[in-house]
Amino acid sequence: SYVLTQAPSVSVAPGLTATITCGGPNITTKSVHWYQQKPGQAPVLVVYDDKVRPSGIPERFSGSKSGNTATLTISRVEAGDEAVYYCQVWDRTSDRVFGGGTKLAVL
Amino acid sequence: EVQLVESGGRVERPGGSLRLSCEASGFIFDDYGMNWVRQAPGKGLEWVSGIDRNGDSTHYAESVKGRFTISRDNAKSVLYLQINSLRVEDTALYHCARDFSPYGSSSAMAVWGQGTTVTVSS
Repeated sequence: SYVLTQAPSVSVAPGLTATITCGGPNITTKSVHWYQQKPGQAPVLVVYDDKVRPSGIPERFSGSKSGNTATLTISRVEAGDEAVYYCQVWDRTSDRVFGGGTKLAVL
Repeated sequence: EVQLVESGGRVERPGGSLRLSCEASGFIFDDYGMNWVRQAPGKGLEWVSGIDRNGDSTHYAESVKGRFTISRDNAKSVLYLQINSLRVEDTALYHCARDFSPYGSSSAMAVWGQGTTVTVSS
């Protein structure tokens, strides 16, 4: 089965840039999506197809991919960005797969 | 307003069965594929099952194959998940989620319900 690997946690001070990574075999051949989940709330799609922001998502959120790693970058981090972020892909053998999630702490 | 509202979760014994429902509103239901995604207490997201627009094609995670059945009633705009042979490890918050784009061109899920809680305990 296909596995996506995320670091359990990332910390960043307000106003700085947070980088959240997602690794997987041949991830360059897959479309990567990113979700934000705040406590007690449903997930929200913040980036789809590697780098596209859905309507209503701030420009501070951006996605990229290089080598075997996809990256979600949050610029000018705010306290309200504190959440768990999940990456997700579709794989031929496993269908939709989520990474384990990265908890973003805003110091 | 685009909305998904799940129901049907409850406390059930191991080996039991239950059916979850997800009522959709605010969009053309039969234009979109639909999914169930669950989250065990304190854990991450796990995709469970998906169904295409017409209900002709269904997909399941290995962990639930043979026990879970996804279906939909496009006339009523309702998605279902039949869960049989419940296990303790099925305890989770079950979300329904709509595909981002119609006709299945992306695997992203753009609309999520708040979820319904299934607890399996003896």
